Amino acid sequence: DAMVIQNPRYQVTQFGKPVTLSCSQTLNHNVMYWYQQKSSQAPKLLFHYYDKDFNNEADTPDNFQSRRPNTSFCFLDIRSPGLGDAAMYLCATSSGSTDTQYFGPGTRLTVL
Amino acid sequence: AQTVTQSQPEMSVQEAETVTLSCTYDTSESDYYLFWYKQPPSRQMILVIRQEAYKQQNATENRFSVNFQKAAKSFSLKISDSQLGDAAMYFCAYRRGRGDMRFGAGTRLTVKP
Repeated sequence: DAMVIQNPRYQVTQFGKPVTLSCSQTLNHNVMYWYQQKSSQAPKLLFHYYDKDFNNEADTPDNFQSRRPNTSFCFLDIRSPGLGDAAMYLCATSSGSTDTQYFGPGTRLTVL
Repeated sequence: AQTVTQSQPEMSVQEAETVTLSCTYDTSESDYYLFWYKQPPSRQMILVIRQEAYKQQNATENRFSVNFQKAAKSFSLKISDSQLGDAAMYFCAYRRGRGDMRFGAGTRLTVKP
């Protein structure tokens, strides 16, 4: 089945130690998104790729970066994680700018 | 800026009964999309239903239907014949253009057997 896959599902890192979260999709969608969701809160958009065009939200910390080497994969890099970055990170895809977004299961990040 | 408001942090419904979740939004745009997403305890966000603002007809998907009132900027979700599997966090979302998805704070729905 076509889907959005996130690895790992659970990630533990140490304060200040760089970490990379990965997302892949078999939907062949041209748009990929990264959201941060803290407990009992709505998802917050960090950035998205429209094909290779990177779009950063204005309030996304510089600590967060992303790479999209090809259509199928997108990575979220957190250069120096702080305790406040502990959250669920959701990847989503859509086939166009206004189409429905399909979400992966998320990666829960713990920062020690 | 577009904002989405869900005024009910928690709702409860008896199995087989009907429940309505409220959502209002603020926008100056005339062309946009509205969504209801469901996030069960396993945390994967699943699309429940979507509505295009240019369509007057309310969207329906099996037991799920919406009451879209464009002038009032209201977009409520009705769940009929509630089932235990409907228990989840429900997010209302607004979208206009690329990457511009805004979520409400969510409503946690409990279904009582």
